[in-house]
Amino acid sequence: EVQLVESGGGSVQPGGSLRLSCAASGFTFRNHWMNWVRQAPGKGLEWVAMIKQDGTEKYYVDSVKGRFTISRDNAKNSLYLQMNSLRAEDTALYYCARDLGAGGGVWGQGIPVTVSS
Amino acid sequence: QPVLTQSPSASASLGASVKLTCSLSSGYSDYAITWHQQQPEKGPRYLMRINSDGSHSKGDGIPDRFSGSRSGSECYLSISSLQSDDEADYYCQTWGTGYRVFGGGTKLTVL
Repeated sequence: EVQLVESGGGSVQPGGSLRLSCAASGFTFRNHWMNWVRQAPGKGLEWVAMIKQDGTEKYYVDSVKGRFTISRDNAKNSLYLQMNSLRAEDTALYYCARDLGAGGGVWGQGIPVTVSS
Repeated sequence: QPVLTQSPSASASLGASVKLTCSLSSGYSDYAITWHQQQPEKGPRYLMRINSDGSHSKGDGIPDRFSGSRSGSECYLSISSLQSDDEADYYCQTWGTGYRVFGGGTKLTVL
């Protein structure tokens, strides 16, 4: 069964940091672009970042550039999102997602991140 | 980057059919798109891809009641024989080098 399972979310004060992880199983992880997508409370889906199969290309939405870093470990079938200098507007459910391009899509169940003082 | 425009809401009766629309912005009318379903309190689920020629390919396990089509820059998701668990938010999405873009979503109510 193809599966993505996020972990590492929680509550943090503004300016703080969190590291999200996504464990992949049921497919050849190293063959796929991977993404982080978030959903603020009551809002729609917003793409956050993506990383190429070998990790050599990384792209971000403007609002997180310089604060968030996407990475992957193909040996561990894992995707990460290091989030620094967190702001209240980063509060959201964060989803790990495979492809979201010509290869279709697979989604995790989401992990909540709350930034509040 | 393209902008995807969706109506915020739609409704249809149990057992009826509905057609949701996703409009691609000018200059991007031939981009392929994907559709995703998000049921209440759940993560999204990939439904299908609609190609520039109007053909579509569905994800694993997606019922035949779901189909896709397009006319120029407008892409459609059609659902027939509506069931109660089709009540969900539906998002269209496209991609390019270095980005992924979502539409604002359409909330489908099954009456």
